Amino acid sequence: TQLLEQSPQFLSIQEGENLTVYCNSSSVFSSLQWYRQEPGEGPVLLVTVVTGGEVKKLKRLTFQFGDARKDSSLHITAAQTGDTGLYLCAGAVSNYQLIWGAGTKLIIKP
Amino acid sequence: DAGITQSPRHKVTETGTPVTLRCHQTENHRYMYWYRQDPGHGLRLIHYSYGVKDTDKGEVSDGYSVSRSKTEDFLLTLESATSSQTSVYFCAISVRTENSPLHFGNGTRLTVT
Repeated sequence: TQLLEQSPQFLSIQEGENLTVYCNSSSVFSSLQWYRQEPGEGPVLLVTVVTGGEVKKLKRLTFQFGDARKDSSLHITAAQTGDTGLYLCAGAVSNYQLIWGAGTKLIIKP
Repeated sequence: DAGITQSPRHKVTETGTPVTLRCHQTENHRYMYWYRQDPGHGLRLIHYSYGVKDTDKGEVSDGYSVSRSKTEDFLLTLESATSSQTSVYFCAISVRTENSPLHFGNGTRLTVT
């Protein structure tokens, strides 16, 4: 069974603080996707990382794919209340499937 | 937003009754997926389709069946609903398989009493 462990499961911080969310696996992925989901809606893609060691930035969000393509991190600098949501990582494997992490529920307090 | 519509958005049903959820897309994407989302489990794939009448099982397919008679429609049927099938169900579409992002509908919240 392929697993993608996401941590922390829950994070509540003050606006302006920094945070990092991690996704770790013993499996190698061809790519890893990060999504954000708001209540009552479906997940929305933030970024896809494909190459080992790749770093992508989306404004205050920095995504990194591990060199061995088994792990990834999402770092948010100077969090804002608009960053509140459920963050999901998903590793791409063969046979049409994505392996999903359980999600990190992030609350940014004003 | 990708044109994906799920219906109904909410449904309450009794144990043992059949239930059909519908996913309709206007993007003409080949691949369609049904997921369920439960606290602590993330998203789990139920069934997926790679073309009209071409479907296959995901990791949690027991108790569910699907049909795709047209490119734009993907139906999920619970033949005899059970309380363990209380969940939020998401339909997703994609252009191809590996590395392609999924575009999700807004979900159907199903409660089985």
